Amino acid sequence: GQQLNQSPQSMFIQEGEDVSMNCTSSSIFNTWLWYKQDPGEGPVLLIALYKAGELTSNGRLTAQFGITRKDSFLNISASIPSDVGIYFCAGQGETSGSRLTFGEGTQLTVNP
Amino acid sequence: DTAVSQTPKYLVTQMGNDKSIKCEQNLGHDTMYWYKQDSKKFLKIMFSYNNKELIINETVPNRFSPKSPDKAHLNLHINSLELGDSAVYFCASSHLREFRTQYFGPGTRLTVL
Repeated sequence: GQQLNQSPQSMFIQEGEDVSMNCTSSSIFNTWLWYKQDPGEGPVLLIALYKAGELTSNGRLTAQFGITRKDSFLNISASIPSDVGIYFCAGQGETSGSRLTFGEGTQLTVNP
Repeated sequence: DTAVSQTPKYLVTQMGNDKSIKCEQNLGHDTMYWYKQDSKKFLKIMFSYNNKELIINETVPNRFSPKSPDKAHLNLHINSLELGDSAVYFCASSHLREFRTQYFGPGTRLTVL
């Protein structure tokens, strides 16, 4: 099956720092998504990307759909304590129909 | 008010038992999903139903049986529970044509002893 490699696995940063995480795939994806999961909760969609090269922002978050269609990155600027959580990339592959494949997640810790 | 709700939030049970998890959505979506999140936080699709019909059935032991009484509900029944079934199970929903935008429930943490 399709796999997404997400890195880094975890990050420990100071409040105010910028953060970057990325996701790569060995196959082409038609859609890239970024979710955040707070402790004890389900994932919440942050940003959806539908076209190669697309750059989309949601507040302090910016994500890009790689031009090769095999990667995506998420940046968080000026991090705050409530950014703590697990960030997942997810994608819909060319041959996966309505299935989403999720990355392994990036655990973000923000020190005040 | 809750968009996607699951019950129970926590479930602790013995090996060999049969248990059910319930999911309801009030978003008017026509498609619902069950995901399993393991101890390493890896999320994997198990099943998907569209208008009460099964459309995704991943390689899941047949001890897991989803049931959709109507398009707002998708329940998961698990027979003969095993230790390896311990995980967090998430329900999600979407419109089929907007399957990329899925709304997740709060999860059910299942612990099998």
